[in-house]
Amino acid sequence: AQSVTQLDSQVPVFEEAPVELRCNYSSSVSVYLFWYVQYPNQGLQLLLKYLSGSTLVKGINGFEAEFNKSQTSFHLRKPSVHISDTAEYFCAVSAPGGGTSYGKLTFGQGTILTVHP
Amino acid sequence: DADVTQTPRNRITKTGKRIMLECSQTKGHDRMYWYRQDPGLGLRLIYYSFDVKDINKGEISDGYSVSRQAQAKFSLSLESAIPNQTALYFCATSDRLAGGPSSYNEQFFGPGTRLTVL
Repeated sequence: AQSVTQLDSQVPVFEEAPVELRCNYSSSVSVYLFWYVQYPNQGLQLLLKYLSGSTLVKGINGFEAEFNKSQTSFHLRKPSVHISDTAEYFCAVSAPGGGTSYGKLTFGQGTILTVHP
Repeated sequence: DADVTQTPRNRITKTGKRIMLECSQTKGHDRMYWYRQDPGLGLRLIYYSFDVKDINKGEISDGYSVSRQAQAKFSLSLESAIPNQTALYFCATSDRLAGGPSSYNEQFFGPGTRLTVL
């Protein structure tokens, strides 16, 4: 079984400042890792994903994340945020391979990013 | 038009009532999921279906049931609603896995249904 912990429930930041949203996971097997974003009154949208290969992955809207296997982390970063980045962000994990567990996502608790002018 | 739709978008009901939430998709995906979202808890999986004849319980299925009426439709029912089922409910879909163990198919989410049980 997998679990995900997002270390910050809320992150306030000023516009144009850098931001990091932290995510740690626990799993006995290798995993796929994801960040989803939920804008107010909307469903979830995939920001980026790590399946294999380069540990630095780039996503939409200027976000990137780095997979660190030794620290079991997958932190999300953006060098300069905009007001429009205000949203809730979810880290998620899925187990690769076959079987009925394939494709199921386990989500973290969410981090609310608020960008102030 | 949205690829994954949910009806109703908002619902207020009373304790003990039966309620059904519906999800439809035009993406042609085989797999469908129901999640609930609670503040501070993220999304938790209620039920999932890999095809019309394959339905599985998620981590919090107690108090819920589902029906996969067709490939494109997946309904969630609360037979006797209780206040702690007040939450935001999301439906999601994903395609059948085409590759081997290293393949992955993205889940696409509907806009959500906000359910309040009084």
